[in-house]
Amino acid sequence: GIQVEQSPPDLILQEGANSTLRCNFSDSVNNLQWFHQNPWGQLINLFYIPSGTKQNGRLSATTVATERYSLLYISSSQTTDSGVYFCAVRRGGGADGLTFGKGTHLIIQP
Amino acid sequence: NAGVTQTPKFRVLKTGQSMTLLCAQDMNHEYMYWYRQDPGMGLRLIHYSVGEGTTAKGEVPDGYNVSRLKKQNFLLGLESAAPSQTSVYFCASALTRTGSSYEQYFGPGTRLTVT
Repeated sequence: GIQVEQSPPDLILQEGANSTLRCNFSDSVNNLQWFHQNPWGQLINLFYIPSGTKQNGRLSATTVATERYSLLYISSSQTTDSGVYFCAVRRGGGADGLTFGKGTHLIIQP
Repeated sequence: NAGVTQTPKFRVLKTGQSMTLLCAQDMNHEYMYWYRQDPGMGLRLIHYSVGEGTTAKGEVPDGYNVSRLKKQNFLLGLESAAPSQTSVYFCASALTRTGSSYEQYFGPGTRLTVT
């Protein structure tokens, strides 16, 4: 099956800092999503981005499908950004669900 | 518009007991999914459905059964619970017909403990 690798696995930053999270995947995809899992366990949709660039407030994401990676940018971090960020993909032509990476655990300190 | 809802939110079972988790969506989505999340890991696909009356196995289907009798509901059953099934279970749905978005939307999760 498709492999998804996220880096870094852990990241500790001060409030106000910027960060870049990376997701590498091993095959062509027709779905790539970024999620934020908050400390209460809820999965929040951040981006649906199988290709191209999107921005939503302080967050933006870029997927380069031909090179099989995606980047999530967080600017001016706030303590509420803490949690685990997951990248998940669905391979092109497949009919099944998402394959998740192991996540990046982000801690924003005040 | 409630999105994706899951019932119950928490449950404790004894080994060998059975139970059914209910997922409901009010977005008229065709595809529905069940995932499990174990500590420190991403989610793994258990079973999925591409339409009413259809089901298929995912990555970790053993010990689970599913049914999709109505488009808006997707049920996950554990016939004889085992401690290895202690996990958080998430349901998701996606609109997905030809030409439509594959974006998945997740429910709040069910935390299941098997003792």
